[in-house]
Amino acid sequence: SYVLTQPPSLSVAPGEAATITCAGNNIGGKSVHWYQQKPGQAPVLVIYYDSSRPSGIPERISGSNSGNTAALTISRVEAGDEADYYCQVWDSSSDHLGVFGGGTKLTVL
Amino acid sequence: QVQLVESGGGLVKPGGSLRLSCTASGFTFSDYYMSWIRQAPGKGPEWISYIGGNGATTHYADSVKGRFTISRDNAQKSVYLHLSSLRADDTAVYFCARDSFLAGIHWFDPWGQGTQVTVSS
Repeated sequence: SYVLTQPPSLSVAPGEAATITCAGNNIGGKSVHWYQQKPGQAPVLVIYYDSSRPSGIPERISGSNSGNTAALTISRVEAGDEADYYCQVWDSSSDHLGVFGGGTKLTVL
Repeated sequence: QVQLVESGGGLVKPGGSLRLSCTASGFTFSDYYMSWIRQAPGKGPEWISYIGGNGATTHYADSVKGRFTISRDNAQKSVYLHLSSLRADDTAVYFCARDSFLAGIHWFDPWGQGTQVTVSS
């Protein structure tokens, strides 16, 4: 089955940029979606189709996808961005169709 | 606004059964696929099942195939997940999510608040 690998943690100072990666075999050939999850809450979609933002998501949040790595970038990080972030793809080549990465805990210093 | 509310979770013994419900509001329910996704403690989400808008299409992850059954009632704007032959590793928060489907690609927005299922003797 398809595997998505994320770094477990990332720490960034307020005002700096945070880039969270999601690695997968030829992931550039798939569409990647990103979710933000704060403690005790449900995940919230922040990026879909690699780089599209749902309404209400700030322009500070952007996505990219190429080769074997997709990335979520949060520019000018704020305390409210502290959360777990998960990437997700739809893998039609296997029976485990919805695939999530293991998540990255973003800590704002 | 779009809202999803799950119910039906609880404590169940290994081998037992449970039915989860998810009631939707704020959108044309029958126009959308719906998915169930679970999250074990300290783990990432795991997609487990989807159902098409008219209920004719369903699919399951290998981990639950043959044990879980998804269904929907469009008149009640509800989707259900029947869990059977439950095991300890089914313990998780179970979320329903509106499943956006385009060109064979699925993503999930929004999610409900989740309902806890604990399998323990």
